[in-house]
Amino acid sequence: GDSVTQMEGPVTLSEEAFLTINCTYTATGYPSLFWYVQYPGEGLQLLLKATKADDKGSNKGFEATYRKETTSFHLEKGSVQVSDSAVYFCALNQGAQKLVFGQGTRLTINP
Amino acid sequence: NAGVTQTPKFQVLKTGQSMTLQCAQDMNHEYMSWYRQDPGMGLRLIHYSVGAGITDQGEVPNGYNVSRSTTEDFPLRLLSAAPSQTSVYFCASSYRTGGSTYEQYFGPGTRLTVT
Repeated sequence: GDSVTQMEGPVTLSEEAFLTINCTYTATGYPSLFWYVQYPGEGLQLLLKATKADDKGSNKGFEATYRKETTSFHLEKGSVQVSDSAVYFCALNQGAQKLVFGQGTRLTINP
Repeated sequence: NAGVTQTPKFQVLKTGQSMTLQCAQDMNHEYMSWYRQDPGMGLRLIHYSVGAGITDQGEVPNGYNVSRSTTEDFPLRLLSAAPSQTSVYFCASSYRTGGSTYEQYFGPGTRLTVT
């Protein structure tokens, strides 16, 4: 079946560092891809998405490009802030209401 | 709009007890889902609904029941709680944004502990 694999966490960076969180997927067909963010004590919020190959999703300084040839959707940010500390989930759309999630990557940004 | 709301926020049950987790959305979304979140495993789909009166099983349905009598509400019932059901439960509603892409909105979650 479809699956999503994220880089192991936790990830700890200093403020203003460059961030990459790797995500690769296995899927039949052409799924839509998503990054969700979960701040402490809260539910998941959609961060960005891409619906077809070579699409780039972006939001709040984060970017990810749908790479069909490498089945990847890596999350990047050029300069992280303390407020970016959260758990990040990569996911793919497997039908109307079926999201398949990676295991999540906890990110901590130190001042 | 309140979005997706869940009650209660926290719950402690003894093994064998039953309870219902409530979920409601005010966005008139057709699709609703229940997920559980366990450490290191991301979120896993328990049950979902494509509209009032229609439900189906997800990846981990055993020990849970759902029903959807209205568009707004999608309660999750634990029939006889077990320690393995200790988890954080998220309800979500979704709508089609275009083509085959659906966007999901999540509630704040219910943290359940079964002793």
